[in-house]
Amino acid sequence: QSALTQPASVSGSPGQSITISCTGTSSDVGGYNYVSWYQQHPGKAPKLLIYDVTNRPSGISNRFSGSKSANTASLTISGLQAEDEADYYCSSFTASTTYVFGTGTTVTVL
Amino acid sequence: QLQLQGSGPGLVKPSETLSLTCVVSGGSMIGSNYHWGWVRQPPGKGLEWIGCIYYTGSITYYNPSLKSRVTISVDTSKKQFSLKVSSVTAADTAVYYCAKMTTGFDPWGQGTLVTVSS
Repeated sequence: QSALTQPASVSGSPGQSITISCTGTSSDVGGYNYVSWYQQHPGKAPKLLIYDVTNRPSGISNRFSGSKSANTASLTISGLQAEDEADYYCSSFTASTTYVFGTGTTVTVL
Repeated sequence: QLQLQGSGPGLVKPSETLSLTCVVSGGSMIGSNYHWGWVRQPPGKGLEWIGCIYYTGSITYYNPSLKSRVTISVDTSKKQFSLKVSSVTAADTAVYYCAKMTTGFDPWGQGTLVTVSS
């Protein structure tokens, strides 16, 4: 199975909004509403930000939001803060009853 | 709250079997739609899903690229689940994470670095 495609890097200034895309196929992202997003700071375990495309777990800031259109899911971070500088990964359930992660995106706060 | 703690040898020789265990505390392993899984991350690279097991142990799902070498098992009475990867090579060097899988991977264990080297 091929990794979902994410941009290698995205940057923005404090207070701005950025969007990270996650492109798959109709056999994963496009076929199921089981897309999730993770934030990973250096040397730390990933942290769940969004599940089932749009849902935030308890305790996650509403500055993080998710959406999906066709085979592409997106994570938007609004009101960008210095603490948002991290790596971000998407994940999707697949038609093969497996899971696949995205290639990862490094977010830089300018 | 639920916590996961992975453990196992940090160094494994090529061609041998990598074995890791994840202990669950602060909550139950039993629940509908509860799967327990493993994810790995080679140094400086992205996340790779390895596989997962339903809490009953009756169903397992594996990454097709690893399926022939991977075994995941669960023991709810000991509140733990395990990963075995056979015939390891340097390409299996990674941080291995355990995680609860329901509507996403959450929570995660702290990660265990496993280096394959003679």
